[in-house]
Amino acid sequence: DGGITQSPKYLFRKEGQNVTLSCEQNLNHDAMYWYRQDPGQGLRLIYYSQIVNDFQKGDIAEGYSVSREKKESFPLTVTSAQKNPTAFYLCASKVENSGNTIYFGEGSWLTVV
Amino acid sequence: QKEVEQNSGPLSVPEGAIASLNCTYSDRGSQSFFWYRQYSGKSPELIMFIYSNGDKEDGRFTAQLNKASQYVSLLIRDSQPSDSATYLCAVNHFYQKVTFGIGTKLQVIP
Repeated sequence: DGGITQSPKYLFRKEGQNVTLSCEQNLNHDAMYWYRQDPGQGLRLIYYSQIVNDFQKGDIAEGYSVSREKKESFPLTVTSAQKNPTAFYLCASKVENSGNTIYFGEGSWLTVV
Repeated sequence: QKEVEQNSGPLSVPEGAIASLNCTYSDRGSQSFFWYRQYSGKSPELIMFIYSNGDKEDGRFTAQLNKASQYVSLLIRDSQPSDSATYLCAVNHFYQKVTFGIGTKLQVIP
């Protein structure tokens, strides 16, 4: 089935540790996105990528890093520099027709322990 | 000024009534506008998109866009308790950037 797969669904991070969230899509979409959502809050854009080997910072990129080596994959690393990483992380990709609609994966919950 | 603004609510409507959700945006160059529904703990799901001025209807949902006023709205007719969720407005800016509002929490009272 076509879609966006995020893993892991739940992740625990110790203080000072880097963790990587995986995002894979088989929809042949060019653009991919990472958003962060805190409880009771909207989605805030971390990074986005329009094409392979290119990505742009969003509104809250500090403490995060990404790569886009393949069209299908857009992993997000939460580094130790991100002081408040506990949140719900959503990966998305965008289709260029149908109004440029964004579709989401099921999300990953990251908790600092 | 935030790029996309919504009232966080909660907006409470009785079952069967019309729910009206509103959103304003700051970037006049914005191209496409979206409404998503998000249930607690779940990822957002698309309700509908609009990119031309006027109304667009899909079942019980109607999106309205007024680019001159930089305003987009969502009407939900015959509201049902299952419509209780947070509704997110999203705007597609330049270079593929898509920004979301904080979301409006809707409560449909049986």
